[in-house]
Amino acid sequence: DAGVTQSPTHLIKTRGQHVTLRCSPISGHKSVSWYQQVLGQGPQFIFQYYEKEERGRGNFPDRFSARQFPNYSSELNVNALLLGDSALYLCASSARPWRTNSGNTIYFGEGSWLTVV
Amino acid sequence: AQTVTQSQPEMSVQEAETVTLSCTYDTSESDYYLFWYKQPPSRQMILVIRQEAYKQQNATENRFSVNFQKAAKSFSLKISDSQLGDAAMYFCAYRSAKAGTASKLTFGTGTRLQVTL
Repeated sequence: DAGVTQSPTHLIKTRGQHVTLRCSPISGHKSVSWYQQVLGQGPQFIFQYYEKEERGRGNFPDRFSARQFPNYSSELNVNALLLGDSALYLCASSARPWRTNSGNTIYFGEGSWLTVV
Repeated sequence: AQTVTQSQPEMSVQEAETVTLSCTYDTSESDYYLFWYKQPPSRQMILVIRQEAYKQQNATENRFSVNFQKAAKSFSLKISDSQLGDAAMYFCAYRSAKAGTASKLTFGTGTRLQVTL
């Protein structure tokens, strides 16, 4: 089975532009989360979606938005790009957002590298 | 809010030797999960090991084991018989087990592990 897939892998945008990043979770997983990883730091939580509803949001401005589709894939949108938005954007999927005996492992994709110039 | 601290920006170990990576965290919750993730140059986050806070027994996965000290809020990772393929960034992460919360992972800043011949 395929893992978490993200597209595009790399992209360059100009300040003020808009970007859309896409994520397909592992088959059977209904929860998708987005993380931003700035160079030299650990990932920071942006959003979580489950069953097409937002279930959690990190400390990010309203320029960041996301949605989840009926097939559980997800898009992350960032408007009015700033230089500081340059980062690796990681998508993660899990079966359910709440606790299970297995600990509900979260699996990550390889990320989308965004460079804002 | 929970915080995760990794005080070792870089560590080095010789092949076949043992190394311990440190992690401390701060939380007011009693039930949670702790994780160690590995991030090689490919940038994909790979789960190394998981610990449930309600379990007193330290988790072990082949050459990887943890020393979980709940009262001290400490969660160190021991890598035995280090291999060249272990070279990567290692992130410690925390997730609440509270019902209804998002599957949000809080990461530390990471420890870069070098493995030398």
